[in-house]
Amino acid sequence: GAVVSQHPSWVICKSGTSVKIECRSLDFQATTMFWYRQFPKQSLMLMATSNEGSKATYEQGVEKDKFLINHASLTLSTLTVTSAHPEDSSFYICSATLGWTSPYEQYFGPGTRLTVT
Amino acid sequence: AQKVTQAQTEISVVEKEDVTLDCVYETRDTTYYLFWYKQPPSGELVFLIRRNSFDEQNEISGRYSWNFQKSTSSFNFTITASQVVDSAVYFCALSEGTTSGTYKYIFGTGTRLKVLA
Repeated sequence: GAVVSQHPSWVICKSGTSVKIECRSLDFQATTMFWYRQFPKQSLMLMATSNEGSKATYEQGVEKDKFLINHASLTLSTLTVTSAHPEDSSFYICSATLGWTSPYEQYFGPGTRLTVT
Repeated sequence: AQKVTQAQTEISVVEKEDVTLDCVYETRDTTYYLFWYKQPPSGELVFLIRRNSFDEQNEISGRYSWNFQKSTSSFNFTITASQVVDSAVYFCALSEGTTSGTYKYIFGTGTRLKVLA
C-alpha cells in the first residue's frame, strides 16, 4: 500500500515552454502532498506543501509564479513549471502523507527528471 | 542551522566489509520521527526504517541494523557484509511538526556509499 506515482518519469522541453508534472496517490487519499527538487549530487530541497482544495505553501525562495502547484483532489497534485529555463533542469520528487493516521511519514513518488534545452 | 547532519559525504568500502553511516539530528520537539532512505542511481527513494522519539530500541533487519541514541541525538545505520548492490546515496531525515499542524521532513545532505567488488 501507500504507492505514489509520478508522470512523466522524464521530460525534455524547450526553453520558454511550460511543463506539467503529475503526482498521484494510487491506493490512498493524500490530504497533504509535498514537492521537492533535487540537483545532481545534492539533497532534496522542499519546494512547497499542498493540501487538497487549498493554496500551496511555498518555501522561502521558491517562485510561486514559476512553480504552480494545484492539489485538485485527494489523489492528485500537479506541478507546472512555467516558462522553463535551463536552470530549471532538475529531478522533481513528490510525496504524500496518509492523512491523519500517520501525518509524520511521507511516501515518495519515483521522481521526474526535467531537462530544459 | 543544519538540523540533520550526515558528516560523511562519501564512503568507499570493499565488498563484504561492514559500514556505518552516521546521522546526527537537532530538534526541540519531544515527539519526532527519524527515517533512513536509500536512493539508488534510478533516483527513487527507498524507505529503510522509521523510528519515533519514544522508541530507542535498536533494530536488526537482515544485513541492516540501526542504533538510535537520544542522549547523543544520533541515528546511525550499519550495513553488515556490504554488497555491490548497496551502492547508493543514503539519506537520513527528521520529521517534525510545524506550527500549521503538518509534519515536514528535514533531510541530511546524504552519504554516497560505493561498494567495490
